[in-house]
This record gives sequence, structure tokens and C-alpha cells, in this order.
Amino acid sequence: QVQLLQSGAEVKKPGSSVKVSCKASGGIFNSMVISWVRQAPGQGLECMGRIIPIFGTTNYTQNFQDRLTITADASTTTVFMELSDLRRDDTAVYYCARLGVPGPWGQGTMVTVSS
Amino acid sequence: EVVLTQSPLSLPVTLGQPASISCRSSQSLVFSDGNTYLNWYQQRPGQSPRRLIHTVSNRDSGVPDRFSGRGSGTDFTLTISRVEADDVAIYYCMQGTQWPYSFGQGTKLDIK
Repeated sequence: QVQLLQSGAEVKKPGSSVKVSCKASGGIFNSMVISWVRQAPGQGLECMGRIIPIFGTTNYTQNFQDRLTITADASTTTVFMELSDLRRDDTAVYYCARLGVPGPWGQGTMVTVSS
Repeated sequence: EVVLTQSPLSLPVTLGQPASISCRSSQSLVFSDGNTYLNWYQQRPGQSPRRLIHTVSNRDSGVPDRFSGRGSGTDFTLTISRVEADDVAIYYCMQGTQWPYSFGQGTKLDIK
């Protein structure tokens, strides 16, 4: 079964950027579609974007179109989510997940934006 | 963009009793391949979400048969036949038919 292991919690200042990693193991990396979903404190789930490594393609939702970059490194089977120009309301848990198939999500990465 | 509306948002249930959650879509979730990509997720406190049901009514491996899904087009329902203490969680519907994928607001189930 594919496992997704995310990097640790981050504390960032407003206006800065954060880069969260998600390492996939136990499957064929290039055939995966990995999405990023965030959850603000006490709130619901919000899809941010996805990457298909085999094609090198990305799709972003409109809310994040201008600030989000998702990349993949096949040599380390790792996907990265970088969010720039951080605001206080970007404080949330960020998950990587394979939404179209069964299997666990990443454990989540808490990103706190505070001055 | 597809908007999913769940109801109720809060669901207190007595142990052993059934529970149902509705999910309504702003547009049909039937994909061009004929499938309907409506999934249900469970998020227990402090945990990552876990998929329970995919394509409306298909349980994922390891999901108790107390959980069932039904529906078509724009109206969908998740039913738990007999609620157990372990079912305390927030339940989300999610559509994977049209990008961007979207989630319902979530329904918080707890024990009366």
C-alpha cells in the first residue's frame, strides 16, 4: 500500500513562503496523482491543487492559482507544495493525498502564519 | 465549480441507532464515462481523513458494512445502520467528477 509521509510543522511570517514535502513509498510514483488539501482550524477540507508526475502537469484551484506551486521529484518520489505570500488565514493543516484511489492520506503538516 | 451541500451539519445519535447524512450537488456528478465520482470520507478527531465509500456506493477495503452509500445525479446519502462509539467523527462528501474537486462542509456526528 502506498504511504505518504509529510514534512514537519512550520511557523512562518506573513509575506513569506512555505514549502511542504510529501514522500510517497510503496507504489509506482510516476503513475500517481497527488493532491494537496488544506484544513483551517475547526474548518472543513479545501482542495488546493494536484500534480501528475508522469505527465509533469499540475492543476490549481482558483483560490490558489497565483500563490501555489506543486512540483515532483521522481528520483526521491517526493512531491512539494510551495505557498507564497503567506497570510494569517493560511494557518492550517496541509495534507497530501491520492484522492482518486483508496489508501491513507499524509499525516498532515501544520503551518502557522504569525508575526 | 461544483458546490456540495451537506445536511445536517450536526448529528447527535444514540448508540445502536441509524444515522443518515445528505449531500446535494449543484450539478450532476455523472462523468462522461458513465461513473459518478461521489465519495464519502470520515475524519476522526486528530486524524487525517479516511475514504469510506467511492463512486456513490462502493465501500473501501476494511470499512464495516454498517456504512452504505446511495444516490444518483445530484442527491446522495451516507447511512450508518447502527452507530457505534467508534463512529464519532466528521463526515465529508467529495466529488471527483469535475476539476476542481470539492468537499461538502462536513457533518459532525456525536453520541447523544
